[in-house]
Amino acid sequence: EDKVVQSPLSLVVHEGDTVTLNCSYEVTNFRSLLWYKQEKKAPTFLFMLTSSGIEKKSGRLSSILDKKELFSILNITATQTGDSAVYLCGARGATNKLIFGTGTLLAVQP
Amino acid sequence: DVKVTQSSRYLVKRTGEKVFLECVQDMDHENMFWYRQDPGLGLRLIYFSYDVKMKEKGDIPEGYSVSREKKERFSLILESASTNQTSMYLCASSFWDEQYFGPGTRLTVT
Repeated sequence: EDKVVQSPLSLVVHEGDTVTLNCSYEVTNFRSLLWYKQEKKAPTFLFMLTSSGIEKKSGRLSSILDKKELFSILNITATQTGDSAVYLCGARGATNKLIFGTGTLLAVQP
Repeated sequence: DVKVTQSSRYLVKRTGEKVFLECVQDMDHENMFWYRQDPGLGLRLIYFSYDVKMKEKGDIPEGYSVSREKKERFSLILESASTNQTSMYLCASSFWDEQYFGPGTRLTVT
């Protein structure tokens, strides 16, 4: 059965800290892995990863995929209170559906 | 900008009522999805559709049905609402991998 596991489930840090969120997956005929940020509304797209070892970067956020070990990480440097959110990881196999993990709740304290 | 809209942000219904949740997207996307989101369980796929009048069961279809009569509209139907269907319902659409989410409907069944 396809599954995606995220860790940690929750995390509390202080502004300025660097955090690493983890996502491991077991998905038949894997095609892509996506990261979303969800505040008190709809999830918003962050990154899509399809190739191993190629870092995607957007400002203080970056992500990388390891297709051999079947995981991805999302890094956030110099965290701000506005980074507080649930971060969702989803993996796509042969079909058009995404298998999501339970998410990581990040709280950034001032 | 892609826009996915859902008919209600908050909804309160009684046990046994028939409930319709509507989702409309304006990007001519082939694929549309209905998820429910519960604390600790993440996003779970209820149904998805890859074309008009086509539907596929997701991971938790029991107690739900869907309708897709037009490409832009995907409806989720609770035939006889029960208290365990109290949840946040999210609709999404996609062309390929990236899914665009609506704002969600928080449904309470009393």
